[in-house]
Amino acid sequence: AQKVTQAQTEISVVEKEDVTLDCVYETRDTTYYLFWYKQPPSGELVFLIRRNSFDEQNEISGRYSWNFQKSTSSFNFTITASQVVDSAVYFCALSGGGGGNKLTFGTGTQLKVEL
Amino acid sequence: DAGVIQSPRHEVTEMGQEVTLRCKPISGHNSLFWYRQTMMRGLELLIYFNNNVPIDDSGMPEDRFSAKMPNASFSTLKIQPSEPRDSAVYFCASSLRQSISNEQFFGPGTRLTVL
Repeated sequence: AQKVTQAQTEISVVEKEDVTLDCVYETRDTTYYLFWYKQPPSGELVFLIRRNSFDEQNEISGRYSWNFQKSTSSFNFTITASQVVDSAVYFCALSGGGGGNKLTFGTGTQLKVEL
Repeated sequence: DAGVIQSPRHEVTEMGQEVTLRCKPISGHNSLFWYRQTMMRGLELLIYFNNNVPIDDSGMPEDRFSAKMPNASFSTLKIQPSEPRDSAVYFCASSLRQSISNEQFFGPGTRLTVL
């Protein structure tokens, strides 16, 4: 069975600090995709990034960066120079061949960015 | 381009009543998903459809829950009879096709309160 663990329940930072959200996953599939979603206080879930299991290149997009390490089954997400608008719950999710295109979500990390 | 549309946005009902939640996926998307979000259980997949056919309903909690997708542009999730423990936010999501690489786009959710 697939599993996604987000050990950090809540993180509080001061604006402009960098913050990393951790995600560890378990799967028996050799081909899978990992996703990050953001859920702001308004409630909707917003897709942020997708990474496949064969692409371990880390990526930077603006203030966001992702660190995918297959050896440790981790897919961490970093926000550089955090802003108050980054305050949200962030979910890591996993899809795989055995599970079709359904997603297994982690429990989420609540990020609070304060002035 | 319109996103996933859900109605109603809020529903308050009394125990024992029938509740019907509605979803219109993004035009051209072939996969549709129903999720439930609660504080205790997080995000749970209830059921998903590909090309209007239910593929996996293993997440549907009880026989009181049923879902239909009569055509590519409409789906319903029905709870009959409703119970207070059904109170949650119900999300509908759609994706382009049945592929593990496809991200899911979420609707704004329906907040259900069963008194």
